[in-house]
Amino acid sequence: DAMVIQNPRYQVTQFGKPVTLSCSQTLNHNVMYWYQQKSSQAPKLLFHYYDKDFNNEADTPDNFQSRRPNTSFCFLDIRSPGLGDAAMYLCATQGPQETQYFGPGTRLLVL
Amino acid sequence: QQQVKQSPQSLIVQKGGISIINCAYENTAFDYFPWYQQFPGKGPALLIAIRPDVSEKKEGRFTISFNKSAKQFSLHIMDSQPGDSATYFCAASRASGTYKYIFGTGTRLKVLA
Repeated sequence: DAMVIQNPRYQVTQFGKPVTLSCSQTLNHNVMYWYQQKSSQAPKLLFHYYDKDFNNEADTPDNFQSRRPNTSFCFLDIRSPGLGDAAMYLCATQGPQETQYFGPGTRLLVL
Repeated sequence: QQQVKQSPQSLIVQKGGISIINCAYENTAFDYFPWYQQFPGKGPALLIAIRPDVSEKKEGRFTISFNKSAKQFSLHIMDSQPGDSATYFCAASRASGTYKYIFGTGTRLKVLA
């Protein structure tokens, strides 16, 4: 059974039009992560939550925001997507010990 | 100090051969070293992981070798199969409230039938 679910799997948006990606997890863990992964690159951590505490990476653009209304759900908001934001967005949660479990990702296309 | 260096960038192996991917780290505070496998269009999936208190861990055809003094670890895929063709990422993290990963740059493996 999937532990991390992401919707939609594919998202097309227009340049500058806000978009929201969603993630849910069934492990009921207090930690969740959002990564951006561009083609042929490693996942790049954007931010993470420890419970309700939001932790932004220093180089994450202000254009990226997140919300976590409860333990299970987390959202990634891109306020004004640019062409450079086209990427795969990965959500992850913490499993046993230090293991991170990733969702299938949302492929974002910006036109 | 936060980098994890991974090599090679790409690897082609014949079916039945051994695939070897290497990673090196600098921060001695790291104490958890996972390997992830990623197929195109999918999220990374945990393959195998090791802690510094052991020098080797084996799960099926996959083995991690760990050299603490050299600050290096490697993934060996025995009897490589075409289905193993994917991108492999090593990572490192240290125990804390959140285990933030530092990923290597990835190795694209192709196993020829």
